[in-house]
Amino acid sequence: EVQLLESGGGLVQPGGSLRLSCAASGFTFNTYAMSWVRQAPGKGLEWVAAISSSGAYTYYADSVKGRFTISRDNSKNTLSLQMNSLRAEDTAVYYCAKLASPSTTSAFDIWGQGTMVTVSS
Amino acid sequence: EIVLTQSPGTLSLSPGERATLSCRASQSVTSNYLAWYQQKSGQAPRLLIYGASSRATAIPDRFSGGGSGTDFTLTISRLEPEDFAVYYCQQYGSSRRFTFGPGTKVDIK
Repeated sequence: EVQLLESGGGLVQPGGSLRLSCAASGFTFNTYAMSWVRQAPGKGLEWVAAISSSGAYTYYADSVKGRFTISRDNSKNTLSLQMNSLRAEDTAVYYCAKLASPSTTSAFDIWGQGTMVTVSS
Repeated sequence: EIVLTQSPGTLSLSPGERATLSCRASQSVTSNYLAWYQQKSGQAPRLLIYGASSRATAIPDRFSGGGSGTDFTLTISRLEPEDFAVYYCQQYGSSRRFTFGPGTKVDIK
C-alpha cells in the first residue's frame, strides 16, 4: 500500500524552528518528485515547496522562500521540511504529497494525513 | 503567477442532482495542467482529475473534468452522499509553482 506518514509537528514560539519529516512506503520513492502543502485552520490549501526526484531541484512559495528548506533522503525514503524563523501565519496542517511523475509538472496523487504546526507564544 | 478563481463558493444540492463547479485561471494554464481534488472534513485531499479531464485511479465515472485554456469545470453527474465535500482546483504547469483555487463547498440542501 502506498503510504505517506508525516511527523514532527507541534507548538513552537514565533521565531523558532521545527523540522517535519515524511516517511514514504509502498512505492519507489526515488522515482517521484515530492511536495509539501499546508492548510491553515478553516482555510484552503497552500502549496509550500517541491523537490525533484533526485533532490537536485527545489522550488518554494514566495511566502516561505528563505525560511523553509525542503530536502529528501532517497536512501531512507524520507522527505523533510526544515522551517526556520516561524511566524504565526505559518500555523497550519502540513501535508506531504507525492507527485504523479519524476517531473514537478505533475498533480499530487498521494497525500499523507498531515501534521499540525502551531506557532504561538 | 497564475491565480485561480472558483465559483460558486458554496453549492447546495440534493443527492442525485448534478453538480457543476467552475475554475477560472488568470492566464492560460500550460498544457491544461489542471487538477481537481476533493477534501472531506478532517481528511487529506484526494486527487480526482488531472490534465483537466483524466480521472485518477479508482475515481468513479460520475466525476468528469473539462475545459481548456483559462476555463475549467468539474461535473458530478449524480451526487452521492459521500460526495458532499470541498473541491479545489490546482494548476501545476506554471514556472514550477503550484496554485490552488479557494475551493467550492458542496453541501446538502
